[in-house]
Amino acid sequence: EPEVTQTPSHQVTQMGQEVILRCVPISNHLYFYWYRQILGQKVEFLVSFYNNEISEKSEIFDDQFSVERPDGSNFTLKIRSTKLEDSAMYFCASRRDVAAGNIQYFGAGTRLSVL
Amino acid sequence: GQQVMQIPQYQHVQEGEDFTTYCNSSTTLSNIQWYKQRPGGHPVFLIQLVKSGEVKKQKRLTFQFGEAKKNSSLHITATQTTDVGTYFCAGALNTNAGKSTFGDGTTLTVKP
Repeated sequence: EPEVTQTPSHQVTQMGQEVILRCVPISNHLYFYWYRQILGQKVEFLVSFYNNEISEKSEIFDDQFSVERPDGSNFTLKIRSTKLEDSAMYFCASRRDVAAGNIQYFGAGTRLSVL
Repeated sequence: GQQVMQIPQYQHVQEGEDFTTYCNSSTTLSNIQWYKQRPGGHPVFLIQLVKSGEVKKQKRLTFQFGEAKKNSSLHITATQTTDVGTYFCAGALNTNAGKSTFGDGTTLTVKP
């Protein structure tokens, strides 16, 4: 069964460093998302991406964040200068199309630890 | 902004007991999804509800969408230890960008 894959599974970085989290969405899916989950808390929407551009973003997704689909398969989240409070699990998700409603399939996540 | 609230936050049950979690949105939804997240895992899609008053069943799980499309519930009959995890509802205002607002989740623990 097709799945969303994320790498790395765990990323440790120093405060102020840049990190890039990588995702490979399900191949025939058109909509891509990043979510964040701080330990023990709920899943928070960061950004949605469709047709090579951001379609919606949350207040969390400030100028320090960016997303890119550099080729036909990868979808990346970049944090330019990490802060301690960026420590969280980051989930990538993909959605097939509008006909599928809002059904999203999540990757296993990248745990980001900012020291 | 849109808010999605879930109660209870935690539920501890004895194996075999029933379990219900409730989800309420501050705004009318286009559709709602339910996800299950096992400890240390990622959200896994369970069901999507689209129509007003819709009821769907998956074995021991029953999902309902309210008539006003602002609330939903998930009921598990005769819980098993494999039901342990956090159940999230996620509501969407439309299917355009597909942004889903997640509830706070209900964490279910089952005592054997």
